[in-house]
Amino acid sequence: GQNIDQPTEMTATEGAIVQINCTYQTSGFNGLFWYQQHAGEAPTFLSYNVLDGLEEKGRFSSFLSRSKGYSYLLLKELQMKDSASYLCAVRGHGSSNTGKLIFGQGTTLQVKP
Amino acid sequence: DVKVTQSSRYLVKRTGEKVFLECVQDMDHENMFWYRQDPGLGLRLIYFSYDVKMKEKGDIPEGYSVSREKKERFSLILESASTNQTSMYLCASSLWENNQPQHFGDGTRLSIL
Repeated sequence: GQNIDQPTEMTATEGAIVQINCTYQTSGFNGLFWYQQHAGEAPTFLSYNVLDGLEEKGRFSSFLSRSKGYSYLLLKELQMKDSASYLCAVRGHGSSNTGKLIFGQGTTLQVKP
Repeated sequence: DVKVTQSSRYLVKRTGEKVFLECVQDMDHENMFWYRQDPGLGLRLIYFSYDVKMKEKGDIPEGYSVSREKKERFSLILESASTNQTSMYLCASSLWENNQPQHFGDGTRLSIL
């Protein structure tokens, strides 16, 4: 079967660094996406990884290890507005032309002052 | 900017009614998707379409149907609404390439009484 696992909840302090992990087991692999979703709002795209390594985009970085079926999202210099759910999603085999993604259940991050 | 527009932000319907949720995108995307999002269950794919008049079942298609007569519009139909279809419904669209993310509409919060 296909499965994506993320921690349900995390808490961190303003100004700190937090790492949100995602492990996946899918039929093939054509890329991994991270989304941010504030309460009551639509998910918004954060990052995309298809090759092993780290992709940096401002305060946010995303890492991928295909051999381990593992990714993480790193948030630096946390701000209160980073309180949100973070969704990990994988594009599996046979999804190339359809754009279909498999989503994890999301990690709710609470940033405290 | 990509714009995905869902026809209603909030909708209240009665059990047994036929319900139409409309989604329009303005970026000439090939792929369109309908999800429902429930607490603790994450995003679940109902149906998707990778071309006009083409549709494929997602993970939870029972009780739903879809229509894609034009490239920019993807409609979700609840044939006979039931209370267990009360949920947040999210529409998304994407280009077909692997590295292209899905872009989401603001969602429709549907209540079936």
